[in-house]
Amino acid sequence: DGGITQSPKYLFRKEGQNVTLSCEQNLNHDAMYWYRQDPGQGLRLIYYSQIVNDFQKGDIAEGYSVSREKKESFPLTVTSAQKNPTAFYLCASRREVSNQPQHFGDGTRLSIL
Amino acid sequence: GENVEQHPSTLSVQEGDSAVIKCTYSDSASNYFPWYKQELGKGPQLIIDIRSNVGEKKDQRIAVTLNKTAKHFSLHITETQPEDSAVYFCAASMADYGQNFVFGPGTRLSVLP
Repeated sequence: DGGITQSPKYLFRKEGQNVTLSCEQNLNHDAMYWYRQDPGQGLRLIYYSQIVNDFQKGDIAEGYSVSREKKESFPLTVTSAQKNPTAFYLCASRREVSNQPQHFGDGTRLSIL
Repeated sequence: GENVEQHPSTLSVQEGDSAVIKCTYSDSASNYFPWYKQELGKGPQLIIDIRSNVGEKKDQRIAVTLNKTAKHFSLHITETQPEDSAVYFCAASMADYGQNFVFGPGTRLSVLP
């Protein structure tokens, strides 16, 4: 079955540590996205990528970094500069054709130790 | 930029009753409106979408209506069941290459047995 796989499901970060969240898709989608979701809130866009080796900042990119070396993969690094990283992180992908929805993975919950 | 509001933030209904969630958007250029259902600890799943050239769309117990003039769209769930309990998000986007989605803050629906 095609889909989006996020790993790990739970992740803990120590002070001053960078952590990387994995997102892999086998849907052959061009575009991939990272969102942050805080309790009781909607989805806020961190970064997105429409093609390999290219990505753009979203609304809350500070303290995060991404790479897009392969079409299938779009890892997100939460750096030590992100002072409030505790949240639920969602990865999505989409066909770059008009009127196509985003498809989401099942998320990674990041907590601070 | 686009802004999406969603009401109510919480909604409780008796099993078998109908539920209605309403979203308003600000950018008249938006023309694609998906709805997502998110269960606890999972990623959002697309349940229905509507394009701006259509006023209403139905899929079994779920329907979406769109009023372009008033810039609002609504999700209607009939004959609600306990498994409909979840958080529902609306979104708006423009149907062109590289479209990003702006999400509403979500509605927590509880269906009481």
